[in-house]
Amino acid sequence: RKEVEQDPGPFNVPEGATVAFNCTYSNSASQSFFWYRQDCRKEPKLLMSVYSSGNEDGRFTAQLNRASQYISLLIRDSKLSDSATYLCVVRGFKTIFGAGTRLFVKA
Amino acid sequence: ETGVTQSPTHLIKTRGQQVTLRCSSQSGHNTVSWYQQALGQGPQFIFQYYREEENGRGNFPPRFSGLQFPNYSSELNVNALELDDSALYLCASSFGGTSVLDEQFFGPGTRLTVL
Repeated sequence: RKEVEQDPGPFNVPEGATVAFNCTYSNSASQSFFWYRQDCRKEPKLLMSVYSSGNEDGRFTAQLNRASQYISLLIRDSKLSDSATYLCVVRGFKTIFGAGTRLFVKA
Repeated sequence: ETGVTQSPTHLIKTRGQQVTLRCSSQSGHNTVSWYQQALGQGPQFIFQYYREEENGRGNFPPRFSGLQFPNYSSELNVNALELDDSALYLCASSFGGTSVLDEQFFGPGTRLTVL
């Protein structure tokens, strides 16, 4: 079993749709959690940190469930510019990235 | 732009050769992490340097080695290159040392092709 697993993609959604990504992790000692966005052939960029209390940044909402060891990302009112690969990141002794989920938003 | 720079942008090597990749961290950052990203995969953690010392390492063989300099820039060295070493190599700088909460800022990467 991989240490961090993400929903397989790609996700193809129309503009304006709501889309949710999940990510599970195996190490219960993991301490911090993040979502990164990576555009094609570019470097990853931090989208948001993920807290147990949940956090929201505009159209993006992230949640952490420590008991079930998963994190989620919800994107509301999808825009064409949201098309990218979304990577979940789990940090503890090591930093572990998921394989990423590709999102295509179509007009 | 993050202020993290990497060189070279692209590199082509043959099996068995050695390569050195370079990273300049963002001003004020004292920690550099290196990652390998194969096509279609997420970045894999290679190692991290904090104030010139390695303070974490992923599952990579010893032929992957690194350095961090007093100005906190860093090098990644790979000896005896193998075809599977073909990947995008990313460095990320941060100011936090062993902290797992600090944001990492990534450079644009070096794309290495091994023939």
